[in-house]
Amino acid sequence: DIQMTQSPSSLSASVGDRVTITCRASQGISNYLAWFQQKPGEAPKSLIYAASTLQSGVPSRFSGSGSGTDFSLTIGSLQPEDFATYYCQQYDSYPITFGQGTRLEIK
Amino acid sequence: QVQLQESGPGLVKPSQTLSLTCTVSGGSIVSRDYYWSWVRQPPGKDLEWIGYIYYSGSTHYNPSLESRLAISVDTSRNQFSLKLSSVTAADTAVYYCARERNYRNYYYMDVWGKGTTVTVSS
Repeated sequence: DIQMTQSPSSLSASVGDRVTITCRASQGISNYLAWFQQKPGEAPKSLIYAASTLQSGVPSRFSGSGSGTDFSLTIGSLQPEDFATYYCQQYDSYPITFGQGTRLEIK
Repeated sequence: QVQLQESGPGLVKPSQTLSLTCTVSGGSIVSRDYYWSWVRQPPGKDLEWIGYIYYSGSTHYNPSLESRLAISVDTSRNQFSLKLSSVTAADTAVYYCARERNYRNYYYMDVWGKGTTVTVSS
């Protein structure tokens, strides 16, 4: 199975900050990488697929980059509704695997 | 707008079979563009992909669960279901159903249910 490692595991930031979360795959996955946002008690929400393609309806302050084994999710200017847990997921090969999550908290 | 909703017992006894159903609304489960999946998250642990089913009935399971797993589809009810046998406390988790969408012949998850908590305990 492909192992996905996210960093940091948690992050404190303020409204208006620019933050970046990284995700590393244990082997090359081309650009078959997705990012999700999850808030407590809610369904995970798709943000980005194909490493950098924004899901319809997702604000443009979210962006993704990377290819191969190293990827990143950047939030350009944090808004109050962005404080949540973020997961990366590879879909290059089955079984699909996920990162352990990054919890983004208000400073 | 497609929505997914999980349903089923919240408590299952050890050694019994866990059964969940996902109801798809706002769209048809019969589509060449989607796989229909299950994902779970044990307390304090990572998300784990369980398996998917295509509307035709073809399946692909996580090898770690394959010997105990069965996923089925009922196109007349626009539902798909999960059965996991011989459960133990390690199967306690929040179970999600999700849709995998075909994008250039690779499938990524674009819609998720809210999840349902299943506890395995006597």
